[in-house]
Amino acid sequence: GAVVSQHPSRVICKSGTSVKIECRSLDFQATTMFWYRQFPKQSLMLMATSNEGSKATYEQGVEKDKFLINHASLTLSTLTVTSAHPEDSSFYICSASAGTGNRDTQYFGPGTRLTVL
Amino acid sequence: AQSVTQLGSHVSVSEGALVLLRCNYSSSVPPYLFWYVQYPNQGLQLLLKYTTGATLVKGINGFEAEFKKSETSFHLTKPSAHMSDAAEYFCAVSEGDDKIIFGKGTRLHILP
Repeated sequence: GAVVSQHPSRVICKSGTSVKIECRSLDFQATTMFWYRQFPKQSLMLMATSNEGSKATYEQGVEKDKFLINHASLTLSTLTVTSAHPEDSSFYICSASAGTGNRDTQYFGPGTRLTVL
Repeated sequence: AQSVTQLGSHVSVSEGALVLLRCNYSSSVPPYLFWYVQYPNQGLQLLLKYTTGATLVKGINGFEAEFKKSETSFHLTKPSAHMSDAAEYFCAVSEGDDKIIFGKGTRLHILP
């Protein structure tokens, strides 16, 4: 089946620094990638949707200047948490879809645990 | 707008017993419905999904779910629980676009 990887799996950073998380589709071309955030013992909340070569679409309440998303190629999307603060500590999960919409199956990465000190 | 309600944040069953995880959805159009499983500190793995056609959907690891439009339900079942089934399970709905809306999840505990 389709494989999606994330790097790093865990990251600890100091408050005020920026952190970049990579999401890669290893064996298929991901036209669309999604970024989710999951707080402890809670569900996944969609942060943004990105299509290759275009600007990401952010969900209501998600600061686009704080969570920078780049989808520069069909196999790579990055999420950069800028000026991270302790409240940004969370589990970030990406997913990738090979379709251009219409509810194509999403394949999820293993997640990245971000801890901001 | 679509939404998903999972009844019971924690469910405990004995090993070998029936597993039933409940999910009700709200959707203004025919939905796509999903069940995902998440093991600790890992991403999500698709168990099964309903798109169109047969309302009883079989997935991996012996799980299945039945789409009941009249009840707006998509409950997940497995005839006989195994210790390895202990995990968090998420029901999700998609409604005509790429977005998937997840329920709050149900943690399944398997008692020896």
